[in-house]
Amino acid sequence: EPEVTQTPSHQVTQMGQEVILRCVPISNHLYFYWYRQILGQKVEFLVSFYNNEISEKSEIFDDQFSVERPDGSNFTLKIRSTKLEDSAMYFCASSRGKNNEKLFFGSGTQLSVL
Amino acid sequence: AQSVTQLDSQVPVFEEAPVELRCNYSSSVSVYLFWYVQYPNQGLQLLLKYLSGSTLVKGINGFEAEFNKSQTSFHLRKPSVHISDTAEYFCAVRPYTGGFKTIFGAGTRLFVKA
Repeated sequence: EPEVTQTPSHQVTQMGQEVILRCVPISNHLYFYWYRQILGQKVEFLVSFYNNEISEKSEIFDDQFSVERPDGSNFTLKIRSTKLEDSAMYFCASSRGKNNEKLFFGSGTQLSVL
Repeated sequence: AQSVTQLDSQVPVFEEAPVELRCNYSSSVSVYLFWYVQYPNQGLQLLLKYLSGSTLVKGINGFEAEFNKSQTSFHLRKPSVHISDTAEYFCAVRPYTGGFKTIFGAGTRLFVKA
């Protein structure tokens, strides 16, 4: 089965630094997402991306966050100035269609902000 | 808005015993219902989904779930578990229309003992 790939698997950064988390969604998928899971808490929706623009975002996705699809294959999440509370597992996901389609998740990037 | 409640944070069970993981949801609109599984150090994988029709849906690895509209529940069951079923299980909902995000429950850790 095709896979969503995420790099790096672990990222350690200092508070205030910028980080970019990278994802390669499944090639024929049209919808792309970022979710995060703080240790011991729910998987939380951050943002969805379709047709080269943000289609929906949560209240977590503030001005410190941005997403980009710089070419035909990559989908990135940038955190401009990391905070301690940004430490979490970040999951990229993609889907072929919208509402009734399953999400294909990557294995995640564990971000640790020190 | 939607919310998902998974009533048990951890469920220990002996191998070959039956198991039920409980999920209740609330939503002001019609939703699709999903169960995802997360094995250690991996992303989430879809176990099964309910879109419409028969309220009993069968998924991978011998799991099934029953949608109960009156009780707004979508409990996951397996008649006989294996050690390899040890994982985190997430119930999730997604609106029929008007939104891109999937709302997840807090997860239930299934621990299968020999």
